[in-house]
Amino acid sequence: ELKVEQNPLFLSMQEGKNYTIYCNYSTTSDRLYWYRQDPGKSLESLFVLLSNGAVKQEGRLMASLDTKARLSTLHITAAVHDLSATYFCAVEPVSEKLVFGKGTKLTVNP
Amino acid sequence: EPEVTQTPSHQVTQMGQEVILRCVPISNHLYFYWYRQILGQKVEFLVSFYNNEISEKSEIFDDQFSVERPDGSNFTLKIRSTKLEDSAMYFCASSEWGPEANEKLFFGSGTQLSVL
Repeated sequence: ELKVEQNPLFLSMQEGKNYTIYCNYSTTSDRLYWYRQDPGKSLESLFVLLSNGAVKQEGRLMASLDTKARLSTLHITAAVHDLSATYFCAVEPVSEKLVFGKGTKLTVNP
Repeated sequence: EPEVTQTPSHQVTQMGQEVILRCVPISNHLYFYWYRQILGQKVEFLVSFYNNEISEKSEIFDDQFSVERPDGSNFTLKIRSTKLEDSAMYFCASSEWGPEANEKLFFGSGTQLSVL
């Protein structure tokens, strides 16, 4: 069974700082997704990573995928308060379902 | 931007009652999904639906659950006899071409189901 592990699960950081969230998964997959969820809200798609070495950037967030290491990272640059949310990675094995990690709750403090 | 809409946003029911959660996927999408998230836990896959039939389901999706596309726009999740442990946020999602096209899913804002 595919397992998706995120760490850290909770992250409190100061505005302006950089940090990385890690997502490890247990079986082969070439598709990895990052989602953002604000409290009580739905899941907003951030990135779709489809191949080894894929790197995507949007604003202060950058995601990468290493399929050999079965690892994806979500890097936050110069954090701002608006980035406070829970971030989920999700892996799609050869099937139609996404397997989500437990999420990383990010709090950016002024 | 087109969005997936879900109704109701909150549903409170008594244990043993039937509930129907409704979703209107994005109009040109062909693949539909239900996921759920128990409070504070990760999002879990329930079922995927394509071409008027279930294409995959998880072990959570037992005989108490069913899905239907009763017309050209709605996609429903029915729980026949709710249990306390069914309390969760239920998300509907859709995509245009499905997993082989490497597309992202568009999620609705969810229905918070509370079983008392």
